[in-house]
Amino acid sequence: EAGVTQSPTHLIKTRGQQATLRCSPISGHTSVYWYQQALGLGLQFLLWYDEGEERNRGNFPPRFSGRQFPNYSSELNVNALELEDSALYLCASSLRPSGGKSNEQFFGPGTRLTVL
Amino acid sequence: KQEVTQIPAALSVPEGENLVLNCSFTDSAIYNLQWFRQDPGKGLTSLLLIQSSQREQTSGRLNASLDKSSGRSTLYIAASQPGDSATYLCAVRPPLHQAGTALIFGKGTTLSVSS
Repeated sequence: EAGVTQSPTHLIKTRGQQATLRCSPISGHTSVYWYQQALGLGLQFLLWYDEGEERNRGNFPPRFSGRQFPNYSSELNVNALELEDSALYLCASSLRPSGGKSNEQFFGPGTRLTVL
Repeated sequence: KQEVTQIPAALSVPEGENLVLNCSFTDSAIYNLQWFRQDPGKGLTSLLLIQSSQREQTSGRLNASLDKSSGRSTLYIAASQPGDSATYLCAVRPPLHQAGTALIFGKGTTLSVSS
């Protein structure tokens, strides 16, 4: 069974540009989570999508946005890129959170975004 | 606000040693706790998941324990090998009734096992 996949592997942009990152969840998973791992800051929660809706977002500005498609894949868009947006962006998927299930999150390999 | 701390930040041991990585969290109301491994520049590999009602989980040479009341978890690695060298991350998940259910991560312990 295929795991969580992300594309592209690496992305290089300049300040002010927009970046689009993509994630395909494990088959059967409806929830997709986005996390940012910036140097020295650890992993921080960005966005959670489930059944096509944004369910929650972390403490990030509105220029971080995304969407989830009917096939449960997801896009993360970062507008007006800043140097500090350089980070590894990780996507995770799980079954829809509900009582009685572990809802373990499974992570993809990440997209390394570099902003010059 | 839940905070997760991992000590030590870095650890170097010779091959064959048994070792313990520590994780503490400030709010005992958690749904579960997960230990992950991350190789440099790579994604996360889930090692062990402990539900809030459990005390420990084992997988091969790894054993993770959970003490919710004291806000602590430990990851025990037996007979360490150079291939165990990586960063180990601890993450807690808030109760499902709380919005988000996103994982809250510690900053990790970077382990180096020398041959």
